[in-house]
Amino acid sequence: GNSVTQMEGPVTLSEEAFLTINCTYTATGYPSLFWYVQYPGEGLQLLLKATKADDKGSNKGFEATYRKETTSFHLEKGSVQVSDSAVYFCALSEDRGSTLGRLYFGRGTQLTVWP
Amino acid sequence: DVKVTQSSRYLVKRTGEKVFLECVQDMDHENMFWYRQDPGLGLRLIYFSYDVKMKEKGDIPEGYSVSREKKERFSLILESASTNQTSMYLCASSLRTGGGTGELFFGEGSRLTVL
Repeated sequence: GNSVTQMEGPVTLSEEAFLTINCTYTATGYPSLFWYVQYPGEGLQLLLKATKADDKGSNKGFEATYRKETTSFHLEKGSVQVSDSAVYFCALSEDRGSTLGRLYFGRGTQLTVWP
Repeated sequence: DVKVTQSSRYLVKRTGEKVFLECVQDMDHENMFWYRQDPGLGLRLIYFSYDVKMKEKGDIPEGYSVSREKKERFSLILESASTNQTSMYLCASSLRTGGGTGELFFGEGSRLTVL
């Protein structure tokens, strides 16, 4: 079946520190991979995505590379800001052949960045 | 601007009451989803729908039902609310892309407290 395991939080960093949030997955077929972010008091929004092996998704200084050989999609940012404080969710879609668009989510990682 | 609107941000209900959570999207999306979000558990899929009048059970459908009479509206119903249904409920929608790569668009969430 499909599942996502991501690093447990909370993660607390100082501003300008390097961020890694680990995410590994189990999937049948050829899923797409996503990182979503939830800012306080808001719903989730897409941060970045990758649709096939070796693709790199990037947005707002965040990056993640789809590694099929290690079934991973780790989120990284070189220099975090206080405004990056949020909950981050790794997710995978069903196989490319599916039309349902269902996503499977990890449990979320709370990131707090201090000035 | 694309939008998923949930009718109530905060609700307080009593045990045994019938509860309706409404969700409307203005993007002409085929797929709609209801998740619940609980600390440490991430997002868990309750029900989803890929067309008008169609519905599929997710991972935790017990105690819930749904209604999709119009394409833009997807309602979650708690027939007899219980305290263990106190949670944040998130509605989402997506296009039927045929490639499993569709982005989910989320509403801001409805925080339900059952006393």
